[in-house]
Amino acid sequence: QQPVQSPQAVILREGEDAVINCSSSKALYSVHWYRQKHGEAPVFLMILLKGGEQKGHEKISASFNEKKQQSSLYLTASQLSYSGTYFCGTLNSGYALNFGKGTSLLVTP
Amino acid sequence: EAGVAQSPRYKIIEKRQSVAFWCNPISGHATLYWYQQILGQGPKLLIQFQNNGVVDDSQLPKDRFSAERLKGVDSTLKIQPAKLEDSAVYLCASSFKYNLSYGYTFGSGTRLTVV
Repeated sequence: QQPVQSPQAVILREGEDAVINCSSSKALYSVHWYRQKHGEAPVFLMILLKGGEQKGHEKISASFNEKKQQSSLYLTASQLSYSGTYFCGTLNSGYALNFGKGTSLLVTP
Repeated sequence: EAGVAQSPRYKIIEKRQSVAFWCNPISGHATLYWYQQILGQGPKLLIQFQNNGVVDDSQLPKDRFSAERLKGVDSTLKIQPAKLEDSAVYLCASSFKYNLSYGYTFGSGTRLTVV
């Protein structure tokens, strides 16, 4: 089942912060985050495995609330290079990822 | 370490023609996935292989799509005959161990346009 992401799109000025949310109607063991730049393949960012755990990648961090079946991706002091589409993914019964529809992030100078 | 290799990079075909895509995963990665990504959407799983066996092909349109992974290494995805709605980027991925889970490394994809 496909996780639900919000918002669909975000426009930021360089240096501003953003939050991207991912939720599922099914119990989650883990949440995966990927970033895809235009015309390129998705690139692995991080995996959240435990409730309330936070991981970091550059100035990008994430949290995972197992009980609420939600994860949030935090982009702090955004840089131009953060522009792209962010996907969260959750594992299906065969341990393959189901991806959300994505959140488009544009960072402007 | 070499990444996931895919070819061709682009393909334009007419509807009802056939097409094949090739993928060579990272050496030693036992699990290989094919995803279809339609413009503006997230990747959708088509098929998952573990070595040369199929784990999940529930979303593969089997009347026109087929895939194989001979010898548990490289894989081929075929569409025959193609429809306009098959226009998409076809991504191949293989998985790597990450703590207690697995992350994906994607290939650059094949952009298919059916006209």
